[in-house]
Amino acid sequence: KNEVEQSPQNLTAQEGEFITINCSYSVGISALHWLQQHPGGGIVSLFMLSSGKKKHGRLIATINIQEKHSSLHITASHPRDSAVYICAVGKPRGNLIFGKGTKLSVKP
Amino acid sequence: NAGVTQTPKFRVLKTGQSMTLLCAQDMNHEYMYWYRQDPGMGLRLIHYSVGEGTTAKGEVPDGYNVSRLKKQNFLLGLESAAPSQTSVYFCASVGDSTYEQYFGPGTRLTVT
Repeated sequence: KNEVEQSPQNLTAQEGEFITINCSYSVGISALHWLQQHPGGGIVSLFMLSSGKKKHGRLIATINIQEKHSSLHITASHPRDSAVYICAVGKPRGNLIFGKGTKLSVKP
Repeated sequence: NAGVTQTPKFRVLKTGQSMTLLCAQDMNHEYMYWYRQDPGMGLRLIHYSVGEGTTAKGEVPDGYNVSRLKKQNFLLGLESAAPSQTSVYFCASVGDSTYEQYFGPGTRLTVT
């Protein structure tokens, strides 16, 4: 069983929809990262969480340490949000364990 | 700031050839990492460094060597390339206080 599981693997949405991507992990962690990989391949960091909730623009990330679960929400989705979203867990500067990613496609 | 840069962006090697991938960061970060990304798999850690002159093995270190002679540079070497090393390689550094991950643009390597 993978230590980091993301769901769904693929997601297609219509522009404007509210989107949720889930990440469950089975190891003890002190930090969880959400990353975005653009169609061209570049990877950018969206959030690092150790507890609670963070918001940046239309993106919201939550984490429940007791349940070992995190969610990434996108409000009012837009075609430019189309990308692969990757969850990674570990220590803030330690080695990370990565999920396989969720491929999101937002149709106009 | 250029952030994290990687050289080269693309490379095709024949089995048995050697090459070095260069990662450079201009943010004065201590921690740097080399990952590989293969279809259907998450990013996997090859080697990492917690500071100038230090290196350590990650999850998939076999067939690779690294060096961190200068704080801003982290080199990944393939001494004798194998087809199994065909992959996209990403370098990353981590902010010392923010812990934000900064990734390079990637190097697409094909070994024939």
